[in-house]
Amino acid sequence: LAKTTQPISMDSYEGQEVNITCSHNNIATNDYITWYQQFPSQGPRFIIQGYKTKVTNEVASLFIPADRKSSTLSLPRVSLSDTAVYYCLVGDDYKLSFGAGTTVTVRA
Amino acid sequence: GAGVSQSPRYKVAKRGQDVALRCDPISGHVSLFWYQQALGQGPEFLTYFQNEAQLDKSGLPSDRFFAERPEGSVSTLKIQRTQQEDSAVYLCASSLGQSPSYEQYFGPGTRLTVT
Repeated sequence: LAKTTQPISMDSYEGQEVNITCSHNNIATNDYITWYQQFPSQGPRFIIQGYKTKVTNEVASLFIPADRKSSTLSLPRVSLSDTAVYYCLVGDDYKLSFGAGTTVTVRA
Repeated sequence: GAGVSQSPRYKVAKRGQDVALRCDPISGHVSLFWYQQALGQGPEFLTYFQNEAQLDKSGLPSDRFFAERPEGSVSTLKIQRTQQEDSAVYLCASSLGQSPSYEQYFGPGTRLTVT
């Protein structure tokens, strides 16, 4: 499994864009890059998944450079309800490997 | 539509007791997964079912942990002779398939506290 490194925590304010970068230097050719979000007392929730270049959905964007050794999750115009733990997962296996994640705190 | 449900949401067990945790996956989802999440950590894989077949139990921490899905729908995770280190949130997830391109849908989890 590719090892991932992401910041432990990030602070932001309502209305700002939040960018979380994840490093995965030993990503394998078949690996997907997937981000999950987890609120307290809830299970993780899928946000977005990509393989290369840029992926966008109604919630977030995922930027992946050509070498795929890192990826950036972008959350546009965050609100207080976006306060959560965000996990970067890299692999081609059904056994999801979550790591410690990034705690994002959005303040008013 | 209905998501993944788990029961009970909270369970307190005395050390040495057996517990059974239930998972109701999304209807039609072939794959079912169990994860364990310790406080302050990310979830860790325990076991995987495809329909009623348990194809991977590599993450089960000891032989006190047992999971079943006899009819390919509801699953039960059983822990025998609980120990304090078993205290954690147990998460169940289901998906349409086992490929990582299929999104895993998680339930709210069962918080187990062993005293």
